[in-house]
Formats: sequence, C-alpha cells, structure tokens
Amino acid sequence: AQSVTQLGSHVSVSEGALVLLRCNYSSSVPPYLFWYVQYPNQGLQLLLKYTTGATLVKGINGFEAEFKKSETSFHLTKPSAHMSDAAEYFCAVSEDAGGTSYGKLTFGQGTILTVHP
Amino acid sequence: EAQVTQNPRYLITVTGKKLTVTCSQNMNHEYMSWYRQDPGLGLRQIYYSMNVEVTDKGDVPEGYKVSRKEKRNFPLILESPSPNQTSLYFCASSSRTGFLYNEQFFGPGTRLTVL
Repeated sequence: AQSVTQLGSHVSVSEGALVLLRCNYSSSVPPYLFWYVQYPNQGLQLLLKYTTGATLVKGINGFEAEFKKSETSFHLTKPSAHMSDAAEYFCAVSEDAGGTSYGKLTFGQGTILTVHP
Repeated sequence: EAQVTQNPRYLITVTGKKLTVTCSQNMNHEYMSWYRQDPGLGLRQIYYSMNVEVTDKGDVPEGYKVSRKEKRNFPLILESPSPNQTSLYFCASSSRTGFLYNEQFFGPGTRLTVL
C-alpha cells in the first residue's frame, strides 16, 4: 500500500526566499510522483511529475523537485518565492500494484504556502 | 478548451435529501474519478471508472454511488446525505493510456454542506 506524508501543514516564507516543501512516500513498487497546486477556489493543477529517468524534475512557474529513492522523498523547491506562489500544494503518488489501484492518486495532507512581502 | 466541469459549484442541503453532482469532460478520456478533500486529510478517492459501464470503489465509497453511461459524464450520487459528507468534491479525468503517470485533469470543485 502506498502512502504520502507532507511535513508541515503550513509553510511561511518571505518574497524572494527559498521555498522548500517536503514530501516522503512509501510504496511497494517504483512509484510515479506528482506535485499539484491548488489556488484559492480552484481545482488542482499539475506542477510537475516524476515517472522515470532524470531524478531532478522541472515544472511550471520555476518549481522543481528531486526524486531520492534512498530517502523515499520528493521535495519541492523554488529558489525565489513570489507572492503569486501562495497556494496549497499536494504531493501525490500512483503505483502499479498489480492492477488494484487503477489510476488512483494517493495524496499527502497538503501544505499551505504563505508568502510575505 | 479542454476542461472538466462540475455542477453545482456550491450546494447546501439537508440530511436525507438525495442529490447528484454532475461531472463532464470534453477530452475523450476513458478514466474518471471522484475525490473528496477534507482539511488535514488531503484528497481521498471515492470511486473511479476505467470506461463506460466500468466503475469501482476507491478508498471512501460508503454513502456514495456513481454511474458511467456515457464516456464524457460521471455523476456522483448521494442517496441519503449525512453531515459527515460535508466536504469539497473534485472530479478528475485522464487518458487510460499511461494512466498511472499521466496528468489527471481536475474540475473546479463542488463545495457541499449537509445540515
């Protein structure tokens, strides 16, 4: 069974500071990993995903994440926060567990990012 | 424009009054799914459908029903809503080809309050 843990339900940074949102997962098989962003009163939008290949993945809006298998982590970073980055961020995992989890995304609890001027 | 639409966006109802939340996608996706979002719990899958007439339970199916009579539509039915079903609901769709790693497209959400 797969699970996702996001450390910190709220993260607050100053504009221009580094953004680091943490995500750890557990999976019995190699996972597919995603970060989604949810702006207020909107649905979820894909930021980036890891499937295979390069472990450093670049996404939209300057975000990137690194898949570290040894640490079972997929932390999201952005070098310089912008006010428009304020949103809730979700880490998610899907896996091919013998066909019993068709397309199911297992989500973390979410991290609300606040950006101060 | 490729999109997933949900209706209604907001709904306040009373315990026991049957309701349906509609979901429609215009991307010809085979796979559709319903999630509920609750504070501190993230999103949890309620039901999913791999194609027309093919549906299965997710993690939290109790109290919900779905149907998939047409490829583009995947309504969520609450036969007898209860207050613990007060939540934010999202419909999502994706192509079945590579469904494990494809982006899922989410609707705007339906905020349901059951009194």
